[in-house]
Amino acid sequence: SQQGEEDPQALSIQEGENATMNCSYKTSINNLQWYRQNSGRGLVHLILIRSNEREKHSGRLRVTLDTSKKSSSLLITASRAADTASYFCATDTGGGNKLTFGTGTQLKVEL
Amino acid sequence: DVKVTQSSRYLVKRTGEKVFLECVQDMDHENMFWYRQDPGLGLRLIYFSYDVKMKEKGDIPEGYSVSREKKERFSLILESASTNQTSMYLCASRVGWADTQYFGPGTRLTVL
Repeated sequence: SQQGEEDPQALSIQEGENATMNCSYKTSINNLQWYRQNSGRGLVHLILIRSNEREKHSGRLRVTLDTSKKSSSLLITASRAADTASYFCATDTGGGNKLTFGTGTQLKVEL
Repeated sequence: DVKVTQSSRYLVKRTGEKVFLECVQDMDHENMFWYRQDPGLGLRLIYFSYDVKMKEKGDIPEGYSVSREKKERFSLILESASTNQTSMYLCASRVGWADTQYFGPGTRLTVL
């Protein structure tokens, strides 16, 4: 299975609600990153959290990292229809200079 | 503004053809990557390069090769395209070890 696995695979919410996505991974990491992908497009970096950090904020985004549980969560507050996209976590293990991506969570925000 | 461009958004090729996918970044990044993305499988790394003329295999290099003659350009080559290489191909670059990756818009390749 993947180094990073997102949960749930799909999420549908109403505009204004909060959306929470989770990511679990298997091996020790240097950092964990969240990316967003609009349908049929490239990925856009959202936020990076280092292994010695527990929480990070960026606008309406809040990311937490629990290295003891090998898990991270991405919270989008007050969601908007424009937040509809797929969200991926990616782990940097420091070996081989590469990121390993999960399979993503598809978020749909309905009006 | 950071920019990674890919030569085509959509490409249709026939089985057995040689296919070139090109990626250019304007950020002077050392590291460049090629991924393919398939439903249910997420992004899988094909090849990456950490310097000009240097390359390393990723998780699924079979059937692919790469070329990096200049720092800003990283090409993915399908020597003899097959139908199971129909996919979305994404190029990315980044400057260092613990840094964010910048992605191109992707090339949706269909092999008939």
